[in-house]
This record gives sequence, C-alpha cells and structure tokens, in this order.
Amino acid sequence: AQSVAQPEDQVNVAEGNPLTVKCTYSVSGNPYLFWYVQYPNRGLQFLLKYITGDNLVKGSYGFEAEFNKSQTSFHLKKPSALVSDSALYFCAVTVRRTGANNLFFGTGTRLTVIP
Amino acid sequence: GAGVSQSPSNKVTEKGKDVELRCDPISGHTALYWYRQRLGQGLEFLIYFQGNSAPDKSGLPSDRFSAERTGESVSTLTIQRTQQEDSAVYLCASSLVAGQFSRYEQYFGPGTRLTVT
Repeated sequence: AQSVAQPEDQVNVAEGNPLTVKCTYSVSGNPYLFWYVQYPNRGLQFLLKYITGDNLVKGSYGFEAEFNKSQTSFHLKKPSALVSDSALYFCAVTVRRTGANNLFFGTGTRLTVIP
Repeated sequence: GAGVSQSPSNKVTEKGKDVELRCDPISGHTALYWYRQRLGQGLEFLIYFQGNSAPDKSGLPSDRFSAERTGESVSTLTIQRTQQEDSAVYLCASSLVAGQFSRYEQYFGPGTRLTVT
C-alpha cells in the first residue's frame, strides 16, 4: 500500500532563514513524488515533482526538493523564506504503473514564516 | 487558459438530502479525479476517470457516493442521503495522461465546501 508521512503538523521559521518541510513515503514500486501548496481560501497548487533523473528538483517560487531513495524521503526546501510562503504544504506520491494514478497525500504541514 | 472549475463553491444541505457537485476539467485533460478534504486533514482519494476506461471507484467511502463523467469533460459527484460526516471540501483535479505512466501533475479546482446540518 502507498502512504505518505509528514511528521510535522506545523513549521515556524523566521523570514530570510532557510526552511525545510519533511516528507517520507512508502510505496510498492518506483514512486512519482509531488509537492502541492494550499494558500488560504485557494485551491491546491502544484509546486514541483520528481519523476526520474536528478534527485534534486527545482520548482515554483524558489522551492526545491531532494529525492532520497535510501531514506525514502522527499523533503521540501527553500534557501530563504518569505512571509508569503506561509501556507499549507502537502506531499503526495503515486506509483509508476498503468491504470489509476491517484495521488496519496500526506496530512499536510502548515508553514508559518515570521516577519 | 482556464483552470479547473467547480460548482457550487459552497453547499449547505440538510441531513438525508441528496447533493450534486460539478467539476469542469481543463480542456484536453483526459484524467479527472475527485478527492475529499476533511477539516484539518489531508486529501482522501475518491474516484478516478481516464478517457473511456472504467473508472477507479476504489476510494468511494460508501454506496451513497457515485460519480459520472461525460466523455472527457464535465463530471458530477453525487452524494445520496447525506450524513453529517460527509461535511468536507470536495476537490476535483484533472491531468494529462500520456502513454502508460502517470507523469503529469494534477491541477486542482477551488473545491466545493459541503456542510451537512
């Protein structure tokens, strides 16, 4: 069975400091990994994905994530946080196979960037 | 271009009534998904449509839930005899699906907030 864990419900970071939002996954097979962000009163927005190739993937708004197969992790990072990054972040995984490709989501991490 | 749209944005209904939620995917997207997001929780997969293939209904929580899709366009999610535990935000997403593997990110609509009183 596929699953995603986001061990931190809440992450607080000062503006200008680096931020990390953690994600670990469990799948049968090779994963496709995604990060989505949900701003207040808005729908989910795609940030970045890992499909294959380089383990470090870069996405929107200066975010990046590193796929670590041995640790089954896909942590989201940004070198310098902005107040506008405050939002709810979801990690998601699907598996490379035919048929249904629904995403399995983590429970989300609320990021608060303090001015 | 236009994104995924959903209607209504908010729906308040009495326990026991039926509700219908609508999703208009991005034009050209062959795959369509429904998810449920309960307050303070992650997204829960409900159902997946891909082209003319039989839908994957493995996430539907009970037989009160059903969904239809007309070709590669509009989808409706129907909840019969609503219960209070059905209160949630229902999200629709669409994506391109090429070849055999699911490479493409999903684009989400703004959701329908359902409140069952």
